[in-house]
Amino acid sequence: QSALTQPPSASGSPGQSVTISCTGTSSDVGNYKYISWYQQHPGKAPKLMIYEVSKRPSGVPDRFSGSKSGNTASLTVSGLQAEDEADYYCSSYAGSNNVVFGGGTELTVL
Amino acid sequence: QLQLQELGPGLVKPSETLSLTCTVSGGSISRRSYYWGWIRQPPGKGLGWIGSIYYTGSTYYNPSLESRVTMSVDTSKNQFSLKLSSVTAADTAVYYCARGISVIVGDALDIWGQGTMVSVSS
Repeated sequence: QSALTQPPSASGSPGQSVTISCTGTSSDVGNYKYISWYQQHPGKAPKLMIYEVSKRPSGVPDRFSGSKSGNTASLTVSGLQAEDEADYYCSSYAGSNNVVFGGGTELTVL
Repeated sequence: QLQLQELGPGLVKPSETLSLTCTVSGGSISRRSYYWGWIRQPPGKGLGWIGSIYYTGSTYYNPSLESRVTMSVDTSKNQFSLKLSSVTAADTAVYYCARGISVIVGDALDIWGQGTMVSVSS
């Protein structure tokens, strides 16, 4: 199966909002609610930021939000802060007990 | 607090089998509410799902790796393991173990190990 498509990079100034897209197909993103987003700082393990499209795990700031429309999921980071600078990955259930990840987006806080 | 720790050799020769173990501490691997997974990340590249396993031993593998992957669980040691056979340089990566947030294999992974770098080289 193909990886989900994410823009390689995104950027914004402190305090601004940035949205990162994650495009799949009707066989994965478009067909399931199991869309997740992970934040990864250099040299660190990924951290779960959003699950099941729009749910936030305990401890994740409400500046992070998720949504889905058709075959595209989105992660929005509002009120950008310096510590939000990291790589972000989406993932989706792809049916038949299979999971696909996106290629990752490098978020830069200007 | 639940923690996961990957253990295994950092260097494997081409054509040999990569073997890693993930030790779970601070909680039982036998809880029915979760699944356990392996994910890898080649240097400078993105994340890739390898597969998942339940405490019962039921396994689910990435179709592209299925012919080379074997996962197992040892509830007495609170560990689960990964074996990847016939490795090549393309299998060089940081390997992570993680816990699924629910019993649905496709659902998110909420607790991750720190990762272990495995290089394939002669």
